[in-house]
Amino acid sequence: DGGITQSPKYLFRKEGQNVTLSCEQNLNHDAMYWYRQDPGQGLRLIYYSQIVNDFQKGDIAEGYSVSREKKESFPLTVTSAQKNPTAFYLCASSDGQGAYTEAFFGQGTRLTVV
Amino acid sequence: GQQVMQIPQYQHVQEGEDFTTYCNSSTTLSNIQWYKQRPGGHPVFLIQLVKSGEVKKQKRLTFQFGEAKKNSSLHITATQTTDVGTYFCAGDILKTSYDKVIFGPGTSLSVIP
Repeated sequence: DGGITQSPKYLFRKEGQNVTLSCEQNLNHDAMYWYRQDPGQGLRLIYYSQIVNDFQKGDIAEGYSVSREKKESFPLTVTSAQKNPTAFYLCASSDGQGAYTEAFFGQGTRLTVV
Repeated sequence: GQQVMQIPQYQHVQEGEDFTTYCNSSTTLSNIQWYKQRPGGHPVFLIQLVKSGEVKKQKRLTFQFGEAKKNSSLHITATQTTDVGTYFCAGDILKTSYDKVIFGPGTSLSVIP
């Protein structure tokens, strides 16, 4: 089955540690996105990538880093510089071609920093 | 910067009442999508509108795209408890050879049985 997979579903880390969230898709989509969602709030864009080896900062990129070495993968690293990292992180992908850009979401990773 | 806004932020309705959420963009959109996120879940695509003035229906849900392609609405007729969740609009903003989807903050719908 085609889809987008995030792992792990739940992640606990100590303050000051970097942590990497995995996002893999087998939909052959060019565009991939990382969003952060806080309780009762909408989706805020962290980073996005339209093609391999290229990515752009979103609205809240500070304290985060990404890479896009393969079309299928778009990992997100939450660094120790991120002041409030506890949140629900959603990865999405879309075809990004023409007018049809329906986004497919992974199940999300709930990160808790203690 | 480019923004997509939604109103209201929260809506509580009695089961059977109608519900409408409105989405407004500061920039002309190439298309708009609507997503639903159930509590504890992830956003799931509902529909996409592309043409100016387009209206689409899915059972009790009616979606509209404004003539200027800067606003949209989602109307639910006779709400049911299964409609509970947060509804997001997402605008596709073309920028040179790239495009990116910008999500509104969402409208959280509660349905009282």
